[in-house]
Amino acid sequence: GQQLNQNPQSMFIQEGEDVSMNCTSSSIFNTWLWYKQDPGEGPVLLIALYKAGELTSNGRLTAQFGITRKDSFLNISASIPSDVGIYFCAGQPLQGAQKLVFGQGTRLTINP
Amino acid sequence: GAGVSQSPSNKVTEKGKDVELRCDPISGHTALYWYRQSLGQGLEFLIYFQGNSAPDKSGLPSDRFSAERTGGSVSTLTIQRTQQEDSAVYLCASSLDRAGYEQFFGPGTRLTVL
Repeated sequence: GQQLNQNPQSMFIQEGEDVSMNCTSSSIFNTWLWYKQDPGEGPVLLIALYKAGELTSNGRLTAQFGITRKDSFLNISASIPSDVGIYFCAGQPLQGAQKLVFGQGTRLTINP
Repeated sequence: GAGVSQSPSNKVTEKGKDVELRCDPISGHTALYWYRQSLGQGLEFLIYFQGNSAPDKSGLPSDRFSAERTGGSVSTLTIQRTQQEDSAVYLCASSLDRAGYEQFFGPGTRLTVL
């Protein structure tokens, strides 16, 4: 079935540094989404991407839908303590379009 | 006007007992999803409801798992004869009709099976 490979699995950075994470797949996806999950909470949608090549920003966050439709990246600029959490990519596959496939998550830790 | 709510927030049960987890989706959202998240893992799709259509149960791990959605709103996930490997956070999400990709999640129910 469709799988998303999310990298890295964890990141340890200093406050103020930029962050980059990505998701790749062998399958094509119609839509890519990026979620953030804080401890004890459900994931919250950060950015949704609908077209191949699309580059979208949300404050300090920037995400791109890969031109091949098989990958996406998320960048966070000038990280702050509240950026700590787990970031998940999710893709809407061509088949079974109402179901999202999730990556395994990137755990971000920030040293002040 | 609130978001997706789930109850209970935590559930501890003994192996072999049945449990029911509840989800109240966002008002007006016709699609409802259940996911399971094991410790340190991603989200595993369980079941999907869309309006009055038959649910997509393709993610349910065994016949001990079942779910209902009454009146197109509230949903209950039932796990019968719980096993220790059922311990996880169970997340519910809802979305508007065809916009299934923009799913809004509840806080989850943490299930611990002793």
